Amino acid sequence: SQQGEEDPQALSIQEGENATMNCSYKTSINNLQWYRQNSGRGLVHLILIRSNEREKHSGRLRVTLDTSKKSSSLLITASRAADTASYFCATDVEAGTALIFGKGTTLSVSS
Amino acid sequence: EAGVAQSPRYKIIEKRQSVAFWCNPISGHATLYWYQQILGQGPKLLIQFQNNGVVDDSQLPKDRFSAERLKGVDSTLKIQPAKLEDSAVYLCASSPSLSYNEQFFGPGTRLTVL
Repeated sequence: SQQGEEDPQALSIQEGENATMNCSYKTSINNLQWYRQNSGRGLVHLILIRSNEREKHSGRLRVTLDTSKKSSSLLITASRAADTASYFCATDVEAGTALIFGKGTTLSVSS
Repeated sequence: EAGVAQSPRYKIIEKRQSVAFWCNPISGHATLYWYQQILGQGPKLLIQFQNNGVVDDSQLPKDRFSAERLKGVDSTLKIQPAKLEDSAVYLCASSPSLSYNEQFFGPGTRLTVL
């Protein structure tokens, strides 16, 4: 079953704008991760946030986690055409267990 | 460092035929995963190995799917017989150990069942 649900399903923006996508999940988690998938390619790990963390940054990425609301958001600042991809949140309920992915948000950045 | 290798990249078969996919994880990675990704959805775990032992195969349709990792390195996933609903991308991922959170994905095998 899908643990995470991303919102929106699709997002279209112009280069230079910020993109925000959200993820909600159902059960308590150990970690939450965000992955990117370019068309026809495998998934690439972007960032991990632990259940006891509230915010994390990596380059142009900012992730927040609200465990009381069982939700996370991924912000991509100053978007580029190369950011066009599908973005998935994935959770694990405890260390050593497999990731459970959401359905993803498809981001399109036009120049 | 070489990434996760998968072959073939594409496969088209008729329903009721058999098919096998191969995965070679990153060298030294003890944990290996097979995921099924149906179009428009996120990946769903089929099976997880730690070395040559199965950790989780609770979502593997065992009446038609099988997987092995005999020497604890590369792995094969087989479907026999295939159904139309098996059309999907099959992704292999690996990580250094069970406690390592990030997974490294291969490019996937796109299967079309006609």
